[in-house]
Amino acid sequence: EAAVTQSPRSKVAVTGGKVTLSCHQTNNHDYMYWYRQDTGHGLRLIHYSYVADSTEKGDIPDGYKASRPSQENFSLILELASLSQTAVYFCASSQTGYDQDTQYFGPGTRLLVL
Amino acid sequence: QQKVQQSPESLSVPEGGMASLNCTSSDRNFQYFWWYRQHSGEGPKALMSIFSDGDKKEGRFTAHLNKASLHVSLHIRDSQPSDSALYFCAASEPGTGGYKVVFGSGTRLLVSP
Repeated sequence: EAAVTQSPRSKVAVTGGKVTLSCHQTNNHDYMYWYRQDTGHGLRLIHYSYVADSTEKGDIPDGYKASRPSQENFSLILELASLSQTAVYFCASSQTGYDQDTQYFGPGTRLLVL
Repeated sequence: QQKVQQSPESLSVPEGGMASLNCTSSDRNFQYFWWYRQHSGEGPKALMSIFSDGDKKEGRFTAHLNKASLHVSLHIRDSQPSDSALYFCAASEPGTGGYKVVFGSGTRLLVSP
């Protein structure tokens, strides 16, 4: 089974500060994703990547940047954290970008912006 | 309006009972569906996928897909307290790539001993 790990598992940040969330997968998957989870909204895609050194915008990219320095690692960066970015963030990976491919999720990072 | 809508928002069943979760798409292009389960404090985990009309059974779990009505359901037989979790329906359309998966807002299932 795919193994996706995230760090930190929880974080408290101040408004206007910089936050970096990290994700690591060990299954040689091409695609990696960042989602945020809010009550009542399910999971919403922020950024995704299909190859190292390249990232693509998802459905809600505003206020977020992403970085894929290697196939295994994918980071989400909040340059100027805001209160509205308080949420749980999940990283996921899939073997390919094929539309029948299942995504494998990490355990999540709970971010609180004060 | 969300493209993938789930009902009910929450559901309570006794241990050993049957739990039925529903998912309806408002986009006729969606052809592929998944059910994910998320236990408290964990990430979502795929339970099963269903891509063809009809039933798909895996152990105590049965998914049913009706593409004509854009409806997919999940039935959990002999529900266990460990089945208590948030269940997501997810959908994608052919030819768009896995990054176009759309998730519903979830159904929270509580199985009481």
